[in-house]
Amino acid sequence: DAGVTQSPTHLIKTRGQQVTLRCSPKSGHDTVSWYQQALGQGPQFIFQYYEEEERQRGNFPDRFSGHQFPNYSSELNVNALLLGDSALYLCASSFTRLNIQYFGAGTRLSVL
Amino acid sequence: GENVEQHPSTLSVQEGDSAVIKCTYSDSASNYFPWYKQELGKRPQLIIDIRSNVGEKKDQRIAVTLNKTAKHFSLHITETQPEDSAVYFCAASKGNKLVFGAGTILRVKS
Repeated sequence: DAGVTQSPTHLIKTRGQQVTLRCSPKSGHDTVSWYQQALGQGPQFIFQYYEEEERQRGNFPDRFSGHQFPNYSSELNVNALLLGDSALYLCASSFTRLNIQYFGAGTRLSVL
Repeated sequence: GENVEQHPSTLSVQEGDSAVIKCTYSDSASNYFPWYKQELGKRPQLIIDIRSNVGEKKDQRIAVTLNKTAKHFSLHITETQPEDSAVYFCAASKGNKLVFGAGTILRVKS
């Protein structure tokens, strides 16, 4: 049974560009949450998707958007990239009734 | 919104000693408290969790205690080993999102 998988592993972009990150949840999970982890800090909640809708959102601008597909996989899109968007982006999946979240290995985004 | 504070930021212990990491939370409605271990360059790994209807939970060398009145919870690691060296994060949740502490770097010296 595969755990939470994310792609790509690393990504380098320049300011102003757009990026799409992908996440496949653990088998049996129906909920996907996205977090941003800056170097030396704890993960910060971006948003959560359930039943293909954004269920809750953290304190992130509208440049951050997402999507969940019928197979429960999810995408995180960031538009108009800023230098400050450089971070590790983590996806976590869970079964909605339990909210026990399991993390993927993350995508390391560098904005130059 | 919820705020989680974690102490200490770094902790060095001798192999075989115990380690304790403490967290406080601000929202009394929070009801789920997981702990994650993150090794360098790897994913956060859930090591233990506790819900608000329980005061203590233990899994081999790891235990978590929760004091709802004081709004704090702690991670206890006994008989530490070099492979316990990592960054540990506490988190609190009352619904969908997890709010994390800033992390504790644990170094176990052999």
